[in-house]
Amino acid sequence: DARVTQTPRDKVTEMGQEVTMRCQPILGHNTVFWYRQTMMQGLELLAYFRNRAPLDDSGMPKDRFSAEMPDATLATLKIQPSEPRDSAVYFCASALDGSSGNTIYFGEGSWLTVV
Amino acid sequence: RKEVEQDPGPFNVPEGATVAFNCTYSNSASQSFFWYRQDCRKEPKLLMSVYSSGNEDGRFTAQLNRASQYISLLIRDSKLSDSATYLCVVSSGNTPLVFGKGTRLSVIA
Repeated sequence: DARVTQTPRDKVTEMGQEVTMRCQPILGHNTVFWYRQTMMQGLELLAYFRNRAPLDDSGMPKDRFSAEMPDATLATLKIQPSEPRDSAVYFCASALDGSSGNTIYFGEGSWLTVV
Repeated sequence: RKEVEQDPGPFNVPEGATVAFNCTYSNSASQSFFWYRQDCRKEPKLLMSVYSSGNEDGRFTAQLNRASQYISLLIRDSKLSDSATYLCVVSSGNTPLVFGKGTRLSVIA
């Protein structure tokens, strides 16, 4: 049963620390998304890649967030330095050739708390 | 104004009730429409796509009104297992999905 794998599942960290979240997309999927979910804002797109190339990262605070795809099987989202307002659930999702809803699959999320 | 607006609820309904959720979207170029379901501490999962002619999947019926930029989801004969958050989702062609904040449903025995 193919699935998107995210680590860590839960992370509690102190303000100012670096946080790295990792995602393994479904094998063969060429589009990878990073979404952030909070009670106030809901699900927001942070960045996405197609064939490992970044297509849009306008939803991401550039000064502290960075997203990369070192290879086709790994996407990373890094926050440095982390702040309490970064506390949220970070979802990675992958899709095959595009973004239509019937082919996008979410990972279980990384639950981040910054204290 | 958010691109996709939903009533956050919560909707508390008894088992067996019929409940309807509404959603409006602001981008008239939107081409694809969906309802996702999200359980507590879980990831969103596709419930159903929404087609212009309306579509049904068992107890679930989705409708789209392009002129009013309005999408609805009707759940008949509610089950306890239907308790979740329902997310309205739109996409403009080959662009990432835009999610509403979701409507929370609690079905009570």
